[in-house]
Amino acid sequence: DQQVKQNSPSLSVQEGRISILNCDYTNSMFDYFLWYKKYPAEGPTFLISISSIKDKNEDGRFTVFLNKSAKHLSLHIVPSQPGDSAVYFCAASAGNQFYFGTGTSLTVIP
Amino acid sequence: NAGVTQTPKFQVLKTGQSMTLQCAQDMNHEYMSWYRQDPGMGLRLIHYSVGAGITDQGEVPNGYNVSRSTTEDFPLRLLSAAPSQTSVYFCASGRRVKSSGDTQYFGPGTRLTVL
Repeated sequence: DQQVKQNSPSLSVQEGRISILNCDYTNSMFDYFLWYKKYPAEGPTFLISISSIKDKNEDGRFTVFLNKSAKHLSLHIVPSQPGDSAVYFCAASAGNQFYFGTGTSLTVIP
Repeated sequence: NAGVTQTPKFQVLKTGQSMTLQCAQDMNHEYMSWYRQDPGMGLRLIHYSVGAGITDQGEVPNGYNVSRSTTEDFPLRLLSAAPSQTSVYFCASGRRVKSSGDTQYFGPGTRLTVL
C-alpha cells in the first residue's frame, strides 16, 4: 500500500509561471519530508526538505508547504525555468526509513 | 570527493544467477540504503544501514542480502536472481540527523535485467 502518493503523473507549465507539484501521505508518524529532482539515467538529487514542526520552507525559487491536518505536501517553483524539466519525487521519513511517491514529470515550455 | 559510486552501471543476469551490486561513499556518512525503482512504483527501500555492522530491512527486502563491514561500503547481494528483480537500483548515503537541508545523496544507479 502506497504511503506516499503523487496523483499527477505529469505537469506542463509555461516558462516564468509557477509550477505546483502535490503529494499526499497516509502515515501520521512521518516527521520529515523531502523533494528530489531526477533526470533520466541519473540518481535523484535533493531539492528541499521540511520538518513536521514547520509548515513552510523556502530556498530560492523553491518553496515547500506542509499541511499536516490534510496530510498534504506541495512544492512551488517560481519562476519555472526550462532546466526545471525533470521528474520530481516527494519522500517522507519515519525513523530510519524513507518512503517515496511515484513521481511527477514536469515539463517547462519555453 | 566522488560522492556515491555504484558498479556496475548495467548488468544482465540469467534466472538463478547470483551477483553483488557494489556501492561506496567517501563522505563518511553513517546512513546508507538501497532502493529499487520500477515503472509506476517510485523508489522502494530494500535495505538500509545506520552504521558499520548494523543493517535492517526496508519495504521490499526479499531476495536481497546486505552487509556493512566498513563505513564506506554497502554491497547488495542478489542470492538467486528472478525476472521480478529486473529494475534500476540506487544506493544512497546520508547523515542520520534529520534537520533542515539534511538529505540522502544518491548514486547514478545500476540497471539490472534478469532473463
